[in-house]
Amino acid sequence: GNSVTQMEGPVTLSEEAFLTINCTYTATGYPSLFWYVQYPGEGLQLLLKATKADDKGSNKGFEATYRKETTSFHLEKGSVQVSDSAVYFCALGVSGGGADGLTFGKGTHLIIQP
Amino acid sequence: NAGVTQTPKFQVLKTGQSMTLQCAQDMNHNSMYWYRQDPGMGLRLIYYSASEGTTDKGEVPNGYNVSRLNKREFSLRLESAAPSQTSVYFCASSSGFQAQFFGPGTRLTVL
Repeated sequence: GNSVTQMEGPVTLSEEAFLTINCTYTATGYPSLFWYVQYPGEGLQLLLKATKADDKGSNKGFEATYRKETTSFHLEKGSVQVSDSAVYFCALGVSGGGADGLTFGKGTHLIIQP
Repeated sequence: NAGVTQTPKFQVLKTGQSMTLQCAQDMNHNSMYWYRQDPGMGLRLIYYSASEGTTDKGEVPNGYNVSRLNKREFSLRLESAAPSQTSVYFCASSSGFQAQFFGPGTRLTVL
């Protein structure tokens, strides 16, 4: 079956530090990959996505590259801010139409200290 | 453009009570989903609807029923609530093989 594994944290960094959150996956077929962010008390927001191997998704200074050879989709940001503190979820979607839901990792709680 | 809306935002039930969680989307999406979020578990799919008139079970369907009332609305019903159903419930929608858009969630406590 499909699965997503990501570091759970909490991950604590200082402002302006470099961020990497690891995500690896197992999937049948050819998945699309997503990163979602959840701020306290809110729903999930799509942060970025990649639909095929070697694609790079980017948004708000965050980047992730779809690596088929290592089955990974690590999230990176060059200089984090206090406002980036949130829970980050890696997810994959597979199958024709993608209508049968996404498979999520357990989430990584990121804390940025001033 | 409201996106995905959910009602209520919060709810407290006693064991055995029933309730329906409402979800609506205004993005003309074909597919809609119900997830639950529990600490340390990520999000788990309860039910989904690939199109109006169809519904299918997800990973954790036991204790729940759904209705796809029309293209916009997808409701989740708990017939006899149990403490194990204490969770945060999210509705989402998507258009085909695209990213899903989530509502703000319903925080349910079953005593």
